[in-house]
Amino acid sequence: DTGVSQDPRHKITKRGQNVTFRCDPISEHNRLYWYRQTLGQGPEFLTYFQNEAQLEKSRLLSDRFSAERPKGSFSTLEIQRTEQGDSAMYLCASSFWRVIGEDTQYFGPGTRLTVL
Amino acid sequence: QQQVKQSPQSLIVQKGGISIINCAYENTAFDYFPWYQQFPGKGPALLIAIRPDVSEKKEGRFTISFNKSAKQFSLHIMDSQPGDSATYFCAASMRAGNQFYFGTGTSLTVIP
Repeated sequence: DTGVSQDPRHKITKRGQNVTFRCDPISEHNRLYWYRQTLGQGPEFLTYFQNEAQLEKSRLLSDRFSAERPKGSFSTLEIQRTEQGDSAMYLCASSFWRVIGEDTQYFGPGTRLTVL
Repeated sequence: QQQVKQSPQSLIVQKGGISIINCAYENTAFDYFPWYQQFPGKGPALLIAIRPDVSEKKEGRFTISFNKSAKQFSLHIMDSQPGDSATYFCAASMRAGNQFYFGTGTSLTVIP
């Protein structure tokens, strides 16, 4: 399977703990995106990378959220001092962006976070 | 502020019928409009997408109709099947900004 993969698929944690999620994009894709999806809502954009550069991070929900893509391949999303309101599905997507052409985003299966 | 408004919230259709989901947007800078299908516990999967230079795009049983002047676009599922039962999201983006703005989703149920 050469699609976007995410790990873990499910994470249960206690309030106040830190959590880290990993995303492996489709191998030739240069852009990687993180979204959050709460129940009954559409995905909400958080941040994205082009190669290793984080081009947009103003939409991260608070300074407790951070993301990295150190070598332009996989990415991690960390949430520090988790709160119950952080419980959601965290989705990763990737795309092959060019100046001209389609920029379809392909989504992974998501990581479902539950904060107790 | 919801950049993309989607309706209806839920839809029940008989097998073989036509399912229609509508979306509206305000930002005229949007230039890419995809539809995604999502099954429970899965990530969204691209279904079909359109750019504003065409008014309609068809792929199999799925058709997007696009009305640039009204800033509206819709998904038509012909000959709906029980396997189409899922949540459908419209989205919009602009190449300059790149992030996708999603609608709130439509839960489609196709009854046999």
